[in-house]
Amino acid sequence: EVQLVESGGGLVQPGGSLKLSCAAFGFTFSGTGIQWVRQASGKGLEWVGRIRSETNTYATAYGASVQGRFTISRDDSKNTAYLQMNSLKTEDTAVYYCTRHNPALDYYDGGDYREPDAFDIWGQGTMVTVSS
Amino acid sequence: DIVMTQSPDSLAVSLGERATINCKSSQSILYSSNNKNYLTWYQQKPGQPPKLLIYWASTRESGVPDRFRGSGSGTDFTLTISSLQAEDVAVYYCQQYYATPPTFGGGTKVEIK
Repeated sequence: EVQLVESGGGLVQPGGSLKLSCAAFGFTFSGTGIQWVRQASGKGLEWVGRIRSETNTYATAYGASVQGRFTISRDDSKNTAYLQMNSLKTEDTAVYYCTRHNPALDYYDGGDYREPDAFDIWGQGTMVTVSS
Repeated sequence: DIVMTQSPDSLAVSLGERATINCKSSQSILYSSNNKNYLTWYQQKPGQPPKLLIYWASTRESGVPDRFRGSGSGTDFTLTISSLQAEDVAVYYCQQYYATPPTFGGGTKVEIK
């Protein structure tokens, strides 16, 4: 079964750190980018950041609200991606989802390999609570 | 960043009737080199992660019932549920992937009247 499974969420104090994991099953993990999206209780979806596949040199990008505090990495040998969260703030409290872009949408645009960020597989999410 | 604006915030529709959700982007998300609109629609039921319904603005994901239809181009898009079923009660989000960061609309809650 194709799935993503997040883990590592929990309660952390403001200023603290937490590392989330996203384990992939049932598909070729190394060939697809992984994204993190969060959702505060009763709110909408906010893109946190992404890491591209090796084809795109594992390029990363982050949302403005987490830039400089969060880092995304991956270990293709373990079929796992990670979200390292530092200097956590109360406003980072949310359910964190890992998701992948649909690799069937990938294409070459001139010399560039494009990985359109349409997310077809989502994990169930892991809750992060930042509170004193 | 590209701002995605959905309307209405919520709507109540009778079973079997049509539901229409609108999504407007702050700039065109039509890529001229391939003539594709970089827009997806998701459905999120309570306690569940979002589910991809439509990509490229109008292509249904595998397994999505054909009562879900995406349309529009440029900056204005619509998700239509042609005959609302009880299992369609959810919040629907549009999202652009034309530019980084990918951005979501605020969501539209669909309920049964």
